[in-house]
Amino acid sequence: IVLTQSPATLSLSPGERATLSCRASQSVSSYLAWYQQKPGQAPRLLIYEVSNRATGIPARFSGSGSGTDFTLTISSLEPEDFAVYYCQQCSNWPRTFGPGTKVDIK
Amino acid sequence: EVLLVESGGGLVQPGGSLRLSCAASGFSFSNSGLNWVRQAPGKGLEWVSFTSASGASIYYADSVKGRFTISRDMSKNTLFLQMNSLRAEDTAIYYCVKHFQWGYFDFWGQGTLVTVSS
Repeated sequence: IVLTQSPATLSLSPGERATLSCRASQSVSSYLAWYQQKPGQAPRLLIYEVSNRATGIPARFSGSGSGTDFTLTISSLEPEDFAVYYCQQCSNWPRTFGPGTKVDIK
Repeated sequence: EVLLVESGGGLVQPGGSLRLSCAASGFSFSNSGLNWVRQAPGKGLEWVSFTSASGASIYYADSVKGRFTISRDMSKNTLFLQMNSLRAEDTAIYYCVKHFQWGYFDFWGQGTLVTVSS
């Protein structure tokens, strides 16, 4: 299953709303997660099963969608949210990731 | 606290072999599936391999099938990745990652860098 993410880069200011998209080449049902990665760090699980926040993830992060189209929303960007975000499916083997969306400071 | 500590990375020539290790602590190793995920320099994430808790179910990415072998030592709470016939395109940071629920990745190690170059 191929995952595509858009946009490749999102330039926003702190306090703004970020909307990231992930599209699957075939249905992944609800088996979709989102990860955040900052430079020099390992990725961190944010959202699993489309809309469930992982432990310790702030409520400003939310996920939605089903089937082939999914969205990660950051309601109000904090300085620490500027990073690369990946979606990942676990509906089928092999597990696959999207190419990522970089959220940078405008 | 869940800890996953990788080791064994380094510089190896094309065609060579390397064995990565991942020391796990802070969770029930014998009841947890584990994965290897890699990231080439400046690139995205690529899932490499998975082993179930018992080791009865093992999967590989097509890009490494037949060359890499995942295994685990229950007595030492350690995950391994034996990498043979290494290619330049295998150059990446290799992360040891804990399996969560259906197939998510909830805890990641800090990674170990593998460089394949002559």
